[in-house]
Amino acid sequence: ETGVTQSPTHLIKTRGQQVTLRCSSQSGHNTVSWYQQALGQGPQFIFQYYREEENGRGNFPPRFSGLQFPNYSSELNVNALELDDSALYLCASSFDRGGSPLHFGNGTRLTVT
Amino acid sequence: AQSVAQPEDQVNVAEGNPLTVKCTYSVSGNPYLFWYVQYPNRGLQFLLKYITGDNLVKGSYGFEAEFNKSQTSFHLKKPSALVSDSALYFCAVRDNGGYQKVTFGTGTKLQVIP
Repeated sequence: ETGVTQSPTHLIKTRGQQVTLRCSSQSGHNTVSWYQQALGQGPQFIFQYYREEENGRGNFPPRFSGLQFPNYSSELNVNALELDDSALYLCASSFDRGGSPLHFGNGTRLTVT
Repeated sequence: AQSVAQPEDQVNVAEGNPLTVKCTYSVSGNPYLFWYVQYPNRGLQFLLKYITGDNLVKGSYGFEAEFNKSQTSFHLKKPSALVSDSALYFCAVRDNGGYQKVTFGTGTKLQVIP
């Protein structure tokens, strides 16, 4: 069983730039969620994708967008980066059945300077 | 709106002693409750969950949690702490309808002292 993998592990960008983070879901999972974890905080829900469509979104502006591909891999795109976007970005996959736990990757550490 | 409170930023316990990490929640409808653990520079790992049924649920690495509906609590427990249990613990909740938005608490750092 292959777990959730994310790339890259670390990334440094300049304010105003755009970034794409990638995630490969655990085998058999059809739902992917993205979370932002600022230093010393709990993960904050960005959005969730199911069957290649966004089906839930947290309190994040439209410059945060995503994609889910037919093989259940996913991307998180952030435009017009701000300093406050510096955080650990976590991808989590799961089944769509109620109560199914999230399976997390190790995250991408994004630093915006 | 759903929410989770973890009132303790840090819990210190001696190795071999029982440990408790506290969590209270708020959700409309029946809750799905989870505990996750995070080691430095890593993602979160699932420990256990409560969906329905027995109020005491058992999970990985000897951890268990007690669901208390009247107190809206879901405290994490372990009878005998190990130094290797030292990590950051997150309680999480989602309601049992709609999509799977999971809300996490702010985390509790567990320090097990040898």
